[in-house]
Amino acid sequence: DIQMTQSPSSLSASVGDRVTITCRASRSISNYLSWYQQKPGRAPKLLIYAASTLESGAPSRFSGSGSGTDFTLTINSLQPEDFATYYCQQSYNALTFGGGTKVEVK
Amino acid sequence: EVQLVQSGAEVKEPGESLKISCKGFGYSFTNYWISWVRQMPGKGLEWMGRIDPSDSYTNYSPSFQGHVTISADKSISTAYLQWSSLKASDTAMYYCARAGNSGSYNYWGQGALVTVSS
Repeated sequence: DIQMTQSPSSLSASVGDRVTITCRASRSISNYLSWYQQKPGRAPKLLIYAASTLESGAPSRFSGSGSGTDFTLTINSLQPEDFATYYCQQSYNALTFGGGTKVEVK
Repeated sequence: EVQLVQSGAEVKEPGESLKISCKGFGYSFTNYWISWVRQMPGKGLEWMGRIDPSDSYTNYSPSFQGHVTISADKSISTAYLQWSSLKASDTAMYYCARAGNSGSYNYWGQGALVTVSS
């Protein structure tokens, strides 16, 4: 199994802040890494796939980077609707989700 | 418009069996894998397994292998997740999702809440 470790598990931020979330794989997954946003009571929504490709319709303030074992999701200029939980997911070998990062209001 | 529509909430007793469904609309059902994802109350996302609807080939997470069965009926564009004997620890929201690019999942069902309680 490939384990995915996200950090931090939670963070507090203000509107307009730049937020960075990291995800580390237990072994190389090339660029088979996706990022999702989930709001309470809603299904997850795909933001980024192939580590850095923005999903159609996702705001351009979201960006992803990384390859191999270390990946980053960046939110530039955090907006009120961005307070949510974010998950990474590898698809190199079956699928595994990271534990999630909750972005809360500071 | 692509949609995945899941069956409704269920309340069951321990030991009972259950089969929940996920029907695909607006695309060729046999062209995309369907995964099932569990979310226990207040917890994160857990991948359970997936099915290729074209031939019903399945992959399971080791954590769920033997505990659930994933199946599909391509004639009605529907995937299923079933349990033969539910436990209280199966209480969770269950999502189906359709595979997209590079193993990502770009379409999700609305979720089905399963509550197991005596």
